[in-house]
Amino acid sequence: DVKVTQSSRYLVKRTGEKVFLECVQDMDHENMFWYRQDPGLGLRLIYFSYDVKMKEKGDIPEGYSVSREKKERFSLILESASTNQTSMYLCASSLAAGTKYTEAFFGQGTRLTVV
Amino acid sequence: GDSVTQMEGPVTLSEEAFLTINCTYTATGYPSLFWYVQYPGEGLQLLLKATKADDKGSNKGFEATYRKETTSFHLEKGSVQVSDSAVYFCALKGNQGGKLIFGQGTELSVKP
Repeated sequence: DVKVTQSSRYLVKRTGEKVFLECVQDMDHENMFWYRQDPGLGLRLIYFSYDVKMKEKGDIPEGYSVSREKKERFSLILESASTNQTSMYLCASSLAAGTKYTEAFFGQGTRLTVV
Repeated sequence: GDSVTQMEGPVTLSEEAFLTINCTYTATGYPSLFWYVQYPGEGLQLLLKATKADDKGSNKGFEATYRKETTSFHLEKGSVQVSDSAVYFCALKGNQGGKLIFGQGTELSVKP
């Protein structure tokens, strides 16, 4: 069974902390994504990666960075957490970018609260 | 750029009612279209998809038809159950490097 695993279901962090959200997939997918989910706004793309050490900005990259040192792992980093980054974060993976017909597989989400 | 618009929720139905959730899109070329479902406390799961015009995706009693002439991909189910209560997301994948672009989501609540 395919799997995308996020390291935490719930996190509470303080303003100004550096926060790491980890995501691991076991499907040998080339593409990995980080989305942010907020009520009424749907899912908004933060960053994505097509390959190891490669990354591209999505629609809302400000205040975030990412790291992909290994194919199966994609980390989202909040450099200095702020209260407006309180949200649900979803990681996803899919096959290579040339295949627009394939779906993405999602992790269970990390609900981050910044106090 | 590409975009997806869904009908606003929440939608509240009685068990066995007919469901329609509207979804329209704007895209260049011929995108693939998807419906994802998110049950309470969980991540997103693929519900169904269609990859070309006039294709019908179906799964678990849900259906959606890719209508290029109206740029729509409406989700339907003939008889909903309490267990269908969830948030439903319409999405497209075009030629923008494999990214999924999502609508805002529609929350469905089914009452016994």
